[in-house]
Amino acid sequence: EIVLTQSPATLSLSPGERATLSCRASQSVSSYLAWYQQKPGQAPRLLIYDASNRATGIPARFSGSGSGTDFTLTISSLEPEDFAVYYCQQRSNWPPEITFGQGTRLEIK
Amino acid sequence: EVQLVESGGGLVKPGGSLRLSCAASGFTFSSYSMNWVRQAPGKGLEWVSSISSSSSYIYYADSVKGRFTISRDNAKNSLYLQMNSLRAEDTAVYYCASGNGDYDYWGQGTLVTVSS
Repeated sequence: EIVLTQSPATLSLSPGERATLSCRASQSVSSYLAWYQQKPGQAPRLLIYDASNRATGIPARFSGSGSGTDFTLTISSLEPEDFAVYYCQQRSNWPPEITFGQGTRLEIK
Repeated sequence: EVQLVESGGGLVKPGGSLRLSCAASGFTFSSYSMNWVRQAPGKGLEWVSSISSSSSYIYYADSVKGRFTISRDNAKNSLYLQMNSLRAEDTAVYYCASGNGDYDYWGQGTLVTVSS
């Protein structure tokens, strides 16, 4: 099983600041990594797929980078609506395996 | 507008059964793989099961294999999850999601609580 480890667990920042979230895989997932945003009481929303491609309707302040085992989600300038939990997810050995990271909570400082 | 609407959740005793449904609209349902993903209270996301567009390929997480059955009816634009032999650790919000490996659309989820 491929394990995804996200860091930090919690990130405290202010609106307008830059956020950098990390996701590390226990073995290479090539570029088969996605990022999701989840707000309280809502379903997750796909932000980034294949490591660096923004999903439809996602603002340009969100960007993804990395390949192999180390990945980063960057939010260039935080808006109030960006404070949420972020999950990475790999599909490298799909089928049959899909795994998610444990999440990073981005909170207002 | 793409819509996925889950139903069928509720309170069930350990060992019991429940059938979840997901009604899809706003896209060509029969062309897409569909999936169930769950989230235990206060926890992260866990992939549960996937089914290909024509039901030719079906996959399950080890945690539900042998107990859960995924199916779909393309004529009714609907996805299903039959859950048997339910355990306390199956308590979660169950989401249906479209996509093959990446999940671009999600429903709002339905809560399944397994408790005596």
